[in-house]
Amino acid sequence: AQSVTQPDIHITVSEGASLELRCNYSYGATPYLFWYVQSPGQGLQLLLKYFSGDTLVQGIKGFEAEFKRSQSSFNLRKPSVHWSDAAEYFCAVGARGSSNTGKLIFGQGTTLQVKP
Amino acid sequence: GAGVSQSPRYKVAKRGQDVALRCDPISGHVSLFWYQQALGQGPEFLTYFQNEAQLDKSGLPSDRFFAERPEGSVSTLKIQRTQQEDSAVYLCASSAMDGMNTEAFFGQGTRLTVV
Repeated sequence: AQSVTQPDIHITVSEGASLELRCNYSYGATPYLFWYVQSPGQGLQLLLKYFSGDTLVQGIKGFEAEFKRSQSSFNLRKPSVHWSDAAEYFCAVGARGSSNTGKLIFGQGTTLQVKP
Repeated sequence: GAGVSQSPRYKVAKRGQDVALRCDPISGHVSLFWYQQALGQGPEFLTYFQNEAQLDKSGLPSDRFFAERPEGSVSTLKIQRTQQEDSAVYLCASSAMDGMNTEAFFGQGTRLTVV
């Protein structure tokens, strides 16, 4: 069965420091991979996605993620965190194949706190 | 409107009461999804519509949950005889086309509290 694991429930970084949020997936083939951000009381906003091709994906707000097939990982990175990045981050996998409807399986989420 | 709109934003229901949650997707969007997000968890898929057709309802947790999209635009998620375990945020998302290669836009959600 498909699943997504985000090992870190809560991360605190200082403003200006670099950030890496971990994501591991379980899937029989190469999946579609996504990172979403959710601010309090808001819906989910897509940061970036990986479908195929270049394994380093650039997203909005200065975020990037790297797909590593050998490690079944899709970690999210940002070189310098801003206070406004404090939010909940979700990694998600989408199914390929005949039932390719856009249905997503989400990880548990990582809460990012930014210290001034 | 410009985005996905959900109403009400907050709903408190007494156990056993029926509730109806509304989703207005982005105009013209073909695909519509409902997700349930329990406190401290990621969203979990409930059901999917392509226009008015409900093509996947594999995530609905019980027969107390029912969703419809009769005219292929607005959708309603109905929960009958609510239980405390139904307390969650219910998220609606829509996308322009079927398939993964289109971004799904999420609404702000409806927070349901069953007391």
